[in-house]
Amino acid sequence: DIQMTQTTSSLSASLGDRVTISCSASQGISNYLNWYQQKPDGTVKLLIYYTSSLHSGVPSRFSGSGSGTDYSLTISNLEPEDIATYYCQQYSKLPYTFGGGTKLEIK
Amino acid sequence: QVQLQQSGAELVRPGASVTLSCKASGYTFTDYEMHWVKQTPVHGLEWIGAIDPETGGTAYNQKFKGKATLTADRSSNTAYMELRSLTSEDSAVYYCTRWLLCFDYWGQGTTLTVSS
Repeated sequence: DIQMTQTTSSLSASLGDRVTISCSASQGISNYLNWYQQKPDGTVKLLIYYTSSLHSGVPSRFSGSGSGTDYSLTISNLEPEDIATYYCQQYSKLPYTFGGGTKLEIK
Repeated sequence: QVQLQQSGAELVRPGASVTLSCKASGYTFTDYEMHWVKQTPVHGLEWIGAIDPETGGTAYNQKFKGKATLTADRSSNTAYMELRSLTSEDSAVYYCTRWLLCFDYWGQGTTLTVSS
């Protein structure tokens, strides 16, 4: 199975900050990488698909980038509603696998 | 609007089986695969498997073969997941989620507690 690693399990930032969350795959995944947001109540939403495409309705302050084995999610101008845990997920090979999550908190 | 409405929380005894449901609305049920994902504090998010509601074809994570069985009822736009021979390791939140090269919509999750 492809292992997805989010080395930062928690992150604290201030409102208005630019935040970058990283995700690394155990092998190349050819940009087949999605990002999800999970709110404290358990609600999960898609943010970014295929590395950098913004899902409908997602604010433009969210962006994604990367290639090969290394990918990142950037949130510019952090807002209070961005408090959540963020997960990457690869779909290069079955079984689909997720990163361990990065919990974002406001300072 | 797309909605995936999952069944309520379950408390079941070890060794028993349980069936979780996921009712889809707001789109054509047979146009998208339905996948299931398990979440626990220890293992995080784990992909269980998928079903194509059009054909009934399924795919499973090897880890969950023999544990989970996925079905879908096109007449009611509902996907089901049966979990058998339950142990405490099966206690988790289970999500159904629609797939088209990404999990674009998720149910609210069903909490399963396995306890005597």
